[in-house]
Amino acid sequence: DARVTQTPRHKVTEMGQEVTMRCQPILGHNTVFWYRQTMMQGLELLAYFRNRAPLDDSGMPKDRFSAEMPDATLATLKIQPSEPRDSAVYFCASGFLGRGLETQYFGPGTRLLVL
Amino acid sequence: AQTVTQSQPEMSVQEAETVTLSCTYDTSESDYYLFWYKQPPSRQMILVIRQEAYKQQNATENRFSVNFQKAAKSFSLKISDSQLGDAAMYFCAYNGRTSGSRLTFGEGTQLTVNP
Repeated sequence: DARVTQTPRHKVTEMGQEVTMRCQPILGHNTVFWYRQTMMQGLELLAYFRNRAPLDDSGMPKDRFSAEMPDATLATLKIQPSEPRDSAVYFCASGFLGRGLETQYFGPGTRLLVL
Repeated sequence: AQTVTQSQPEMSVQEAETVTLSCTYDTSESDYYLFWYKQPPSRQMILVIRQEAYKQQNATENRFSVNFQKAAKSFSLKISDSQLGDAAMYFCAYNGRTSGSRLTFGEGTQLTVNP
């Protein structure tokens, strides 16, 4: 049963600390997405990659957030320095874009609390 | 820009009965996908069902089916024989060619299943 995995599942940290979230997409998928979910804003797309190349990171605060795909099996989202307003659930999703449109499959999320 | 609207913030249903969740969308595209995702208290985003716009036949997955009215831009989800495990937040989502891979989500409908 192929699925997207994310680590850590929960993270509590103090303001100013670096946070790194990791995602393993479904094997064979060529697109990876990072979303953030908060009560106020709902689900927001932060960034996405296709074939490991960043396509759109306009949803991401550039000064503190960075997203990378070191290889096809790993995507990372870093926050440095973290702030209390970054507290949210961060989802990774993956999909395959072939001839048609793609379906996105979500990971379980990382629940981040910044104190 | 595409928009997705779920006009029912909350719905409730008795166990074993049928409930329909509403979703409307606005687009000028002809080629797109529509999705229903389920988010239980665990916060996992689970794909429930998908509909390709070019297909006239309504998608069905076991107890879940959709009523896709392309001309009316309506995409409702019907849950038959509701079970306690169906209790969750349900999100309608849109993915079209001009939006790249960007999913546009509705605000969500919180479904309660009463025993």
